[in-house]
Amino acid sequence: EAAVTQSPRNKVTVTGGNVTLSCRQTNSHNYMYWYRQDTGHGLRLIHYSYGAGNLQIGDVPDGYKATRTTQEDFFLLLELASPSQTSLYFCASSGGFSGNTLYFGEGSRLIVV
Amino acid sequence: QQQVRQSPQSLTVWEGETAILNCSYENSAFDYFPWYQQFPGEGPALLIAIRSVSDKKEDGGFTIFFNKREKNLSLHIKDSQPGDSATYFCAARPGGYKLTFGTGTSLLVDP
Repeated sequence: EAAVTQSPRNKVTVTGGNVTLSCRQTNSHNYMYWYRQDTGHGLRLIHYSYGAGNLQIGDVPDGYKATRTTQEDFFLLLELASPSQTSLYFCASSGGFSGNTLYFGEGSRLIVV
Repeated sequence: QQQVRQSPQSLTVWEGETAILNCSYENSAFDYFPWYQQFPGEGPALLIAIRSVSDKKEDGGFTIFFNKREKNLSLHIKDSQPGDSATYFCAARPGGYKLTFGTGTSLLVDP
């Protein structure tokens, strides 16, 4: 069964702080994604990647960097965290891009105070 | 600008009733429409999906009705059970491009 693991599950940081969210998938999937979920906005795509070393811009990329170090590992970096980045972050993977099922992790809740 | 709209934002039905969740979109190029189900504390998971060449898709007690001309679709949950209480996201994608999610409908099934 597809497995996507995120860490940390909960994080509190201060404004201006540095945060890294980690994601590992054991599905042998090519595509990995980072979404944020906010009430009233649903799920919004931040960045995605179709392989190690590749990065594609999503719909809400401002303030976020991402890096795909291996096929399994995808990281989301907030280098100067702001309160507007308080959110629930989800990582997902899929075998392809068009018409393929997204497999989501359990989420990382980030609070920026 | 929200390209995929869902209504209502929240819905409460009694156990055994049919819950109807609505979704509309603007982009005529959208041709694939999955619905994802999310339970509290979990990530979303694919529930059922339809392609624009079809007008209906059934899977167990879940049915999608699709109206291409009106650019809307609905998810019907027949004989709703408390275990169906979750948030449901409608999503859409034009061929070969990224998925756009709606804002979600929170469903509560009262026993």
